[in-house]
Amino acid sequence: GAGVSQSPSNKVTEKGKDVELRCDPISGHTALYWYRQSLGQGLEFLIYFQGNSAPDKSGLPSDRFSAERTGGSVSTLTIQRTQQEDSAVYLCASSPGGDRYGYTFGSGTRLTVV
Amino acid sequence: AQSVAQPEDQVNVAEGNPLTVKCTYSVSGNPYLFWYVQYPNRGLQFLLKYITGDNLVKGSYGFEAEFNKSQTSFHLKKPSALVSDSALYFCAVRDMGNQGGKLIFGQGTELSVKP
Repeated sequence: GAGVSQSPSNKVTEKGKDVELRCDPISGHTALYWYRQSLGQGLEFLIYFQGNSAPDKSGLPSDRFSAERTGGSVSTLTIQRTQQEDSAVYLCASSPGGDRYGYTFGSGTRLTVV
Repeated sequence: AQSVAQPEDQVNVAEGNPLTVKCTYSVSGNPYLFWYVQYPNRGLQFLLKYITGDNLVKGSYGFEAEFNKSQTSFHLKKPSALVSDSALYFCAVRDMGNQGGKLIFGQGTELSVKP
């Protein structure tokens, strides 16, 4: 596609429910990243996929968070048993891979846990 | 470990005046440095990057950044600020660890340009 697409753009969920956030990267981009941006905070790295390599999950804050990337394209970030502190904007980005490239970000999913 | 710091939470500038948004980094080896901008209720947009070569890098919207190895800095600059430049600016450094690739972002600097 022309850009990185994320859905939904907004999600309100009740505490304790599971949520799935979707990211559709730019076609041909081998690297895909998830970040979290809390109100007034910087960008917190969550997870990184590069081609067929094992993902870098070092940023996931707890075992309630998981992500997968199917067929080297679309990625889903799943948060189980959501807590209020999970409320944030979840940003997805993709890049062609390689250290010299920057990212193209999606518009994000704003998650509110009530 | 790689890290980046933006020492100012907010920068206020009058329209037409030059602006500087500061960034310092800590890396092992040669740094790959980036600047991104985030306008209200929008995703981050790439502004410019330094990989190698000239220390002065030019980017989008008239912005430029100067790589200074001795001071480990990569400050973002613009000769004449516009009200429309008001946004949140992020500096980032590439993590060159075992799995490489990911960017480590600073906390962001809110730029406010007043008429």
